[in-house]
Amino acid sequence: AQKVTQAQTEISVVEKEDVTLDCVYETRDTTYYLFWYKQPPSGELVFLIRRNSFDEQNEISGRYSWNFQKSTSSFNFTITASQVVDSAVYFCALSEARSSASKIIFGSGTRLSIRP
Amino acid sequence: EAGVTQSPTHLIKTRGQQATLRCSPISGHTSVYWYQQALGLGLQFLLWYDEGEERNRGNFPPRFSGRQFPNYSSELNVNALELEDSALYLCASSLGSGSTNTGELFFGEGSRLTVL
Repeated sequence: AQKVTQAQTEISVVEKEDVTLDCVYETRDTTYYLFWYKQPPSGELVFLIRRNSFDEQNEISGRYSWNFQKSTSSFNFTITASQVVDSAVYFCALSEARSSASKIIFGSGTRLSIRP
Repeated sequence: EAGVTQSPTHLIKTRGQQATLRCSPISGHTSVYWYQQALGLGLQFLLWYDEGEERNRGNFPPRFSGRQFPNYSSELNVNALELEDSALYLCASSLGSGSTNTGELFFGEGSRLTVL
């Protein structure tokens, strides 16, 4: 079965601290896609990254970095030198690519608060 | 270019009534997804339409239904409303990709349904 777990419900850090958001997934497929989305207070979800199951290279984009480890079924997201504008709910998601009946499943989200 | 648009922004109904929510995808996108985001909870997958057909549905009762029109816009209908149906309903669109679902989702701002 397809499942995404974000065990951290809420995280609060002081500005400029580094913070890591955890994501653990379950799938029987060998081909799948993982995503991170950001939902700022305005409400509209914004795509951050997509990673396919065959690409375990970590990715860095500015202050954001993602650590994909198939051995532990994890796709963690780190924000370096956090800023107040990073405050949002972050969702990890999984899509199995095995059939046309695939759907994208989201985790329950982690609410990140960055205090000035 | 216009993003995903949803209407109405807010909707107030009473128990037992029916609600209809609408979604217009980004031009060129043929896949439309519906998610329910209840207060304090993550995104729960409701329905996925692609090329006018229902491809998959989540674990929701049959009183949640929808359709996709030839212009790829979509409607979500909720019959016999219950108090727990109060939530933000998010629509997302993506490029339909045939047999695999690899796409980034583009979300609308959502329709907030309140059931009294």
